Amino acid sequence: QVQLQESGPGLVKPSQTLSLTCTVSGGSISRGGYYWGWIRQHPGKGLEWIGYIYYSGSTYYNPSLKSRVTVLVDTSKNQFSLKLSSVTAADTAVYYCASVLSSGAFDYWGQGTLVTVSS
Amino acid sequence: QSALTQPRSVSGSPGQSVTISCTGTSSDVGGYNYVSWYQQHPGKAPKLMIYDVSKRPSGVPDRFSGSKSGNTASLTISGLQAEDEADYYCCSYAGTYTFVVFGGGTKLTVL
Repeated sequence: QVQLQESGPGLVKPSQTLSLTCTVSGGSISRGGYYWGWIRQHPGKGLEWIGYIYYSGSTYYNPSLKSRVTVLVDTSKNQFSLKLSSVTAADTAVYYCASVLSSGAFDYWGQGTLVTVSS
Repeated sequence: QSALTQPRSVSGSPGQSVTISCTGTSSDVGGYNYVSWYQQHPGKAPKLMIYDVSKRPSGVPDRFSGSKSGNTASLTISGLQAEDEADYYCCSYAGTYTFVVFGGGTKLTVL
């Protein structure tokens, strides 16, 4: 069974870049038919899709975040990452990584990591 | 405002059935058979319960079922149990520009 684990700073200053890494275990990130995605959840709110990537490097982003988001994959480390630039307090959220079926369903999730944007 | 509309809350007694609706448009729910549902307990990560409208991942009880009619998808939970009390989110593929949209979530209370 695939397991995912987010890692990265829990505190980021305004205007800086939020960087998170998701480490995949129990399966290869290079297996066909799967994408690898990021979702966030503002405190007490619903889920918001950020973006996902295929192992080949093809990326798909939420149009509302596209100008600030970069998702990368490192197949040698079985990891993928999220970079969100020019953050504000509105980016404070729990960030989840997940594996994504070809139909867009998020089947395995990491435990989530809280990122707070504050000076 | 979420792209998909869900009721804020639903409730039912143990053993009963409840249905949670998820209304979108012809650009998302109505246009593709790619609706998924997630269960989230407080402080936990979401868990996939239904994908591709009505398919259940391995390990999900058959008390959970999904369906779709037009622009509205539904999650039905039969034989309600106390552990079903959670937040439920629907999600749909929305084409090659928007890609993914979520509903605002529904809080299920087991009375």
